[in-house]
Amino acid sequence: EDQVTQSPEALRLQEGESSSLNCSYTVSGLRGLFWYRQDPGKGPEFLFTLYSAGEEKEKERLKATLTKKESFLHITAPKPEDSATYLCAVRPGAGRRALTFGSGTRLQVQP
Amino acid sequence: DTEVTQTPKHLVMGMTNKKSLKCEQHMGHRAMYWYKQKAKKPPELMFVYSYEKLSINESVPSRFSPECPNSSLLNLHLHALQPEDSALYLCASSPPGAANEQYFGPGTRLTVT
Repeated sequence: EDQVTQSPEALRLQEGESSSLNCSYTVSGLRGLFWYRQDPGKGPEFLFTLYSAGEEKEKERLKATLTKKESFLHITAPKPEDSATYLCAVRPGAGRRALTFGSGTRLQVQP
Repeated sequence: DTEVTQTPKHLVMGMTNKKSLKCEQHMGHRAMYWYKQKAKKPPELMFVYSYEKLSINESVPSRFSPECPNSSLLNLHLHALQPEDSALYLCASSPPGAANEQYFGPGTRLTVT
């Protein structure tokens, strides 16, 4: 059974304090690992897709990396506007389009 | 147009009402999805349409009835819902291809009284 586990469940940072969020996964035939950002009461906003171990993607203060068992979302010098829930999702192989989501990490960045 | 739109933004309905949620995208995506999300939980897949045909139904109760009239439009018809069906209902779409990312709409906040 496909499984996605995110840690920590919640994270509070001071503005400028860099950190990483973890996404561990067990999936048969990974077709893609996705990171989303979700603000309260809104739909998830797509951030990155990673396809294979060793791949890295960057966007502003965010950098996503992928190994064979986990993905990290590194946040460098975060700002209060980075506060949100960050969701990790995987798409398994065998043509199945459905994503399996982790429970998310609720990030709060204090000024 | 690079977004998924959903209407209404908020909906309050009684258990005997019939209502519909609407989702629209004009990005040429051929797969569309309905998700349900409860507070502080991840989205849970309900239905997947691929090329206007229902391809996945995640054992959703029949009081939820999806419809895909064309490649740009997805509806979710609601009838005889229960209070526990109150949630954020998210629509998403994805382009043709392999590991394709899904783009989500802003959601409809549904309250069943």
